[in-house]
Amino acid sequence: GQNIDQPTEMTATEGAIVQINCTYQTSGFNGLFWYQQHAGEAPTFLSYNVLDGLEEKGRFSSFLSRSKGYSYLLLKELQMKDSASYLCAVRDGDYKLSFGAGTTVTVRA
Amino acid sequence: TAGITQAPTSQILAAGRSMTLRCTQDMRHNAMYWYRQDLGLGLRLIHYSNTAGTTGKGEVPDGYSVSRANTDDFPLTLASAVPSQTSVYFCASSVAGGGTGELFFGEGSRLTVL
Repeated sequence: GQNIDQPTEMTATEGAIVQINCTYQTSGFNGLFWYQQHAGEAPTFLSYNVLDGLEEKGRFSSFLSRSKGYSYLLLKELQMKDSASYLCAVRDGDYKLSFGAGTTVTVRA
Repeated sequence: TAGITQAPTSQILAAGRSMTLRCTQDMRHNAMYWYRQDLGLGLRLIHYSNTAGTTGKGEVPDGYSVSRANTDDFPLTLASAVPSQTSVYFCASSVAGGGTGELFFGEGSRLTVL
């Protein structure tokens, strides 16, 4: 089974940077995903890491360390529209995706 | 492009009644999934199908059944609903195997069992 941990809530100011950490323990590993989910909406794909290192995509970056079972999502130049839940998900050896409980980020003016 | 369509959007159901949540995708994805999302617990996998004609159990399969008669459709059935099945249900699909295999989600079906 999977054990995926991430903080429940984070608050940051518009224009600032926030880092959301995710630790995991899995049986087999075939990639780590980050999804964004606005209240009342479906999750949407943000990033994918399968090798160690940093993946940058505009204002969002995601980092992976497989040996430490650790990832983070970095959100830069925060905007009000970034207020959402961010879901860490791990794909196991059978290619099934398991999700953490999500981190609710609130951006304040 | 429709992507994934779920129906109904929301439903109130009496305990003991049966219900089928419908899911259709037009992306020709091999794999399809059903998740439930509950506050504080995140998305939990109920059942999945890697290809038409095959299905598998996820983390929380009890009380639910699925079928995959063709590539596009993946209905989820609750044979006899109980209040603990009150949740938001998301259907998703992906290209199985290579690539990022990211999931594409439907808009969700909110089910309340009384």
